[in-house]
Amino acid sequence: EVQLVQSGGEVKKPGESLKISCKGSRYSFSGYWIAWVRQMPGKGLEWMGIIYPDDSDTRYSPSFQGQVTISADKSTSTAYLQWSSLKASDTAIYYCTRHRAGYHKGTYYFYYMDVWGKGTAVTVSS
Amino acid sequence: QSALTQPASVSGSPGQSITISCTGTSSDVGGYNYVSWYQQYPGKAPKLMIYDVSNRPSGISNRFSGSKSGNTASLTISGLQAEDEADYYCNSYTSISTSVFGTGTKVTVL
Repeated sequence: EVQLVQSGGEVKKPGESLKISCKGSRYSFSGYWIAWVRQMPGKGLEWMGIIYPDDSDTRYSPSFQGQVTISADKSTSTAYLQWSSLKASDTAIYYCTRHRAGYHKGTYYFYYMDVWGKGTAVTVSS
Repeated sequence: QSALTQPASVSGSPGQSITISCTGTSSDVGGYNYVSWYQQYPGKAPKLMIYDVSNRPSGISNRFSGSKSGNTASLTISGLQAEDEADYYCNSYTSISTSVFGTGTKVTVL
């Protein structure tokens, strides 16, 4: 079964840094885009950004550009989401998901998300 | 880049049909046939229900169907069952090569 296994929950203080992970298994990890999705407490889903592990091509939603960094290590089939200085408003559950895509005339089109991790809960509190 | 607009809640009795709308713009929903729908139970990860506007992944009941007209996509659940009570989110590709979710709809089975 294709899987994305996410790292465990984190409790941090404002201003601290954090890097959470998402490890893929039972498929060719480097050949599929991985997206990160935020869900704040009691709120909806927000698409943060996406990375293609094979060449680390990365795109961010305008709302998250400059706020987080998405990276990947294809040798370990792992994608990462990191913060350099956490804020209380970063408290949320973060999901990684395999985002199916296609390439046509120089543009990637992101179709749908077919495999999801169970989520990593991040709590930022002083 | 604003979230796609969905009704906050929709309800129906068992056996009835309900439809959830997802309204965007010509830069997302209206411009591409890359609309998908996700079901989420409390405390669980989302699950893909419909992709490319109207296609069902393997294992998804044919009670779930999708369509699109102009800038509005729709998810219809027919023969509503208690197990359909969950949150539903639409998603679309956007003209700036990103993806955007809808605001989410809570489905209640009366």
